[in-house]
Amino acid sequence: GNSVTQMEGPVTLSEEAFLTINCTYTATGYPSLFWYVQYPGEGLQLLLKATKADDKGSNKGFEATYRKETTSFHLEKGSVQVSDSAVYFCALLFNDYKLSFGAGTTVTVRA
Amino acid sequence: KAGVTQTPRYLIKTRGQQVTLSCSPISGHRSVSWYQQTPGQGLQFLFEYFSETQRNKGNFPGRFSGRQFSNSRSEMNVSTLELGDSALYLCASSGRQGRGSYEQYFGPGTRLTVT
Repeated sequence: GNSVTQMEGPVTLSEEAFLTINCTYTATGYPSLFWYVQYPGEGLQLLLKATKADDKGSNKGFEATYRKETTSFHLEKGSVQVSDSAVYFCALLFNDYKLSFGAGTTVTVRA
Repeated sequence: KAGVTQTPRYLIKTRGQQVTLSCSPISGHRSVSWYQQTPGQGLQFLFEYFSETQRNKGNFPGRFSGRQFSNSRSEMNVSTLELGDSALYLCASSGRQGRGSYEQYFGPGTRLTVT
């Protein structure tokens, strides 16, 4: 079946550090890939997406590239801020209705 | 556009009771999905409704049910609550009409605590 494996946390960084969260997937066919972010006490916010191989999604300084050859969709940000502290979820959507999520990675950014 | 809204935000129930949660999707969205989020199991798909019909269902017992109204608002119901049903229940709406990958937008969730 379809599944997502993402880097386990927690991840603790200093402000302005580089962030990478690894995400790999297993799927039949060609899923769409997403990163969602969840702040404390809130629901999930769509951070970025990519719908086909070599697509790069980007938003708020975050980027991720859909790599079909390595079945990966790693999230990166060049310079994190305290406000980026949150839980990040990698997800894939196949057959249009069901998102399969990774376990989530907790990121804490210290001033 | 207003986002996805869910009511209530917080709920405390006793084991054996039943509960109904409500979700209003983004205007114009006809697909509504429900997910359960727990620390142990993470995010799990419950079911999806489209045009008042349940089209897909996750691996949950029959105590979990839902429906969708003609205005696309959706409710989910959990009967005979168990302690393990304590979770954040998230609703997501999507603009999908036919095939094609449409992103899902989530509401703030309903935090259900079963005592």
